[in-house]
Order: sequence, then structure tokens, then C-alpha cells
Amino acid sequence: EVQLVESGGGLVQPGGSLRLSCAASGFTFSSYEMNWVRQAPGKGLEWVSYISSSGSTIYYADSVKGRFTISRDNAKNSLYLQMNSLRAEDTAVYYCARDDTMIVDYWGQGTLVTVSS
Amino acid sequence: QSALTQPPSASGSPGQSVTISCTGTSSDVGGYNYVSWYQQHPGKAPKLMIYEVSKRPSGVPDRFSGSKSGNTASLTVSGLQAEDEADYYCSSYAGSNNFYVFGTGTKVTVL
Repeated sequence: EVQLVESGGGLVQPGGSLRLSCAASGFTFSSYEMNWVRQAPGKGLEWVSYISSSGSTIYYADSVKGRFTISRDNAKNSLYLQMNSLRAEDTAVYYCARDDTMIVDYWGQGTLVTVSS
Repeated sequence: QSALTQPPSASGSPGQSVTISCTGTSSDVGGYNYVSWYQQHPGKAPKLMIYEVSKRPSGVPDRFSGSKSGNTASLTVSGLQAEDEADYYCSSYAGSNNFYVFGTGTKVTVL
């Protein structure tokens, strides 16, 4: 069974940093691309970042480019999102999601990030 | 990159059908056959219902079907059931610059 479990969310002040993690199990993590997708409270889904299976190809949404960094450790079956210079508008539930060549098929339960003073 | 446009709400009685539209541009929906649909119940993670415009993952009832014409994709739920009441989001690949774009979301109500 595919499982994705996010952690690392919490309350952070504007301008602060946070690192999210996603632990994957139930599939060969190193064979799949991965994404981070977020959802602000009461709002729709917003794609944040993509990383290829090897980590060699990375893309970001314009809204987070230069502030967020996606990475992965295939030996640890883990995906990460380093978030710096956080803003109030970054407040959201952050989901990690598996990508099977343009098919985002499995999602974790999400971790809530709240940016507030 | 702008979100894909969906109607805010749709509804139908049990057993009826409802169709949700998802309008984008030639740079996303119209340019690729990588349109997906997700169902999201309150407080839950999205669940993939349709991928590559019209394909259903294993375990998704055949009451769910997808199609595309030009820059608009559609999701049809036939034989509505109470458990179909949820938010539905479309998504499309949008090229290497914007990668994925999601729809604005549609709340489906089973009357």
C-alpha cells in the first residue's frame, strides 16, 4: 500500500523558515517523481514544486521560486521542502504527492503550515 | 499561470448525472492529454478519479468519466450517490515553466 506521511508543519513568524518532510513507503520511491502541492484554508489546490526521480530536474511555481527548495533522499525514501522567507500567503496545508509521469496519483494527508506573528 | 476555470458548484439528485467543466488554454488543457480529476472530501487528501483525460484508476467506479474538447475538459458523474458529494478539482500539465495547474474547484451537492 502506498503511504506518504508529511511532517514538519507548524506556526512560524513571517520571514521565518520551516522544513517539511515526507516519508514514503509501499512503493519504490527512487523510481517516481514527486511533487509538493498546497491548499490555503478554504481555498483550492496550488502546485508548488516538482522533482524528478533522480533529483536532477526541479521546477517551482513562480509564487515560491527563490524562497523554497525541494530535495529528496532516495536512500531514506524521503522528500523535503525547505521553506525560507515565509509570508502570510504561504499559510496552507502542504501535501506531498507521487507523480507517475504526469499522473499525480497518491497524496499524503498533509501538514499545516501557519505563517503569523 | 492562472488557475483553470471550473463552476463553483453543481448539484443533482441521487441517480442523476452531473457534469463539471474545466476551461484552460492551448498552453495547458488544450495542449496536452494530461488532464486529471480529483475528488476531495472535507478534511481529506485529494483522490485521483480520472487521469489522461478519460482513464480511470483501479477502484474508481465507472460512474466517473472524463472527456476533452479543445481547451475544455469535463468530468461526468453518472448515477449520483450520496458519497459523491465532495469538492472536485481538475488539473493539467502546463509545460516545463508552469508544470501543473489546478482548477478553481467545484462543490458537488447531492440533493
